Amino acid sequence: NAGVTQTPKFQVLKTGQSMTLQCAQDMNHEYMSWYRQDPGMGLRLIHYSVGAGITDQGEVPNGYNVSRSTTEDFPLRLLSAAPSQTSVYFCASSHGQGYGYTFGSGTRLTVV
Amino acid sequence: GQQLNQSPQSMFIQEGEDVSMNCTSSSIFNTWLWYKQDPGEGPVLLIALYKAGELTSNGRLTAQFGITRKDSFLNISASIPSDVGIYFCAGRRDTNAGKSTFGDGTTLTVKP
Repeated sequence: NAGVTQTPKFQVLKTGQSMTLQCAQDMNHEYMSWYRQDPGMGLRLIHYSVGAGITDQGEVPNGYNVSRSTTEDFPLRLLSAAPSQTSVYFCASSHGQGYGYTFGSGTRLTVV
Repeated sequence: GQQLNQSPQSMFIQEGEDVSMNCTSSSIFNTWLWYKQDPGEGPVLLIALYKAGELTSNGRLTAQFGITRKDSFLNISASIPSDVGIYFCAGRRDTNAGKSTFGDGTTLTVKP
């Protein structure tokens, strides 16, 4: 079982560059979310989706875009990378309202 | 936005001791979730709680959904070295089930 797959695992960007973090799940989960985790802090919600074609903002959406064209994929786009976006990014998926998340193993992003 | 206060921030205990941690909020949640994160990995769901007053066990772990719906507790009995990690609480409201709010985590160290 693949679960939630995130690519790449590590990435270094220069300030101003753009890139897309990929997330795919093979569990037919309706709900998908992107979180960022900074040292000593919990997970902060960036964007989330409750189904294909539906996305909404979380706590810290600025500088990020998402789309959900299929149930399986939920890519996160950094429009113009900034050092403040250095973080570990986790994608997660869930069956729905009554279920917890299954998390990917994370993408470690450094912006220099 | 909604905030969860998780305490303690860190714990250093001896193998075999029991552990207690808790999570409080100024807002009501309809679902409480507890996750564990190992180094370099994404969080893994331990226990999900759905009703006020509910007490649920998973092996040596026991979690409770507070009566006020504004808090939750996690206990670990007879700790072992593999219990080391970061424990996160998360709360979810039915009115927006796509969003989970996470606490900042409790880092547990177990000394053999």
